[in-house]
Amino acid sequence: GENVEQHPSTLSVQEGDSAVIKCTYSDSASNYFPWYKQELGKRPQLIIDIRSNVGEKKDQRIAVTLNKTAKHFSLHITETQPEDSAVYFCAVSNRDDKIIFGKGTRLHILP
Amino acid sequence: EAQVTQNPRYLITVTGKKLTVTCSQNMNHEYMSWYRQDPGLGLRQIYYSMNVEVTDKGDVPEGYKVSRKEKRNFPLILESPSPNQTSLYFCASSYRQAGVEAFFGQGTRLTVV
Repeated sequence: GENVEQHPSTLSVQEGDSAVIKCTYSDSASNYFPWYKQELGKRPQLIIDIRSNVGEKKDQRIAVTLNKTAKHFSLHITETQPEDSAVYFCAVSNRDDKIIFGKGTRLHILP
Repeated sequence: EAQVTQNPRYLITVTGKKLTVTCSQNMNHEYMSWYRQDPGLGLRQIYYSMNVEVTDKGDVPEGYKVSRKEKRNFPLILESPSPNQTSLYFCASSYRQAGVEAFFGQGTRLTVV
């Protein structure tokens, strides 16, 4: 079945710097790649997603890039702010139309 | 307001005492699922339902039951809870199984002593 690896598990960046979180997957038929943000004590919420026919998508300070050949996709957050501190989950829709989540990355924005 | 509502938010119970966590959505979504979240393990799917009266096992179904008698409701049942089921539980819904945004409930923090 599909295997999703997410790295790093913890990331600390200085406020204003960029953060990058990477996920790799195993099923080449996967075609939908969302990213969810979970603030402390809150529910996960979708922040950005990308489909397999697109290489990059951007929404203000957040971008996602997809490399289908290498089977990895990344979340990029530029000009980080304190409210970006959260746990971020990548996810993959696989051949069986199930959604598989990565184990999460805890992002700390340092003042 | 479009939402997924879980109850209760917090629950402490004793080993072996049956409990039900309710989940309701008002978006007319066909697909609903339950996840448990444990530190370092991310979100693991327990059960899912593609429509009324259609349910299937996820990755960690042991010790859990579900039912889908109505489109809007998808309760999670623990017939005989054990301490290893202490976790944070999330219900989620989407208008189809994959390829679209999943909307999560607020979460239920369950402690089994």
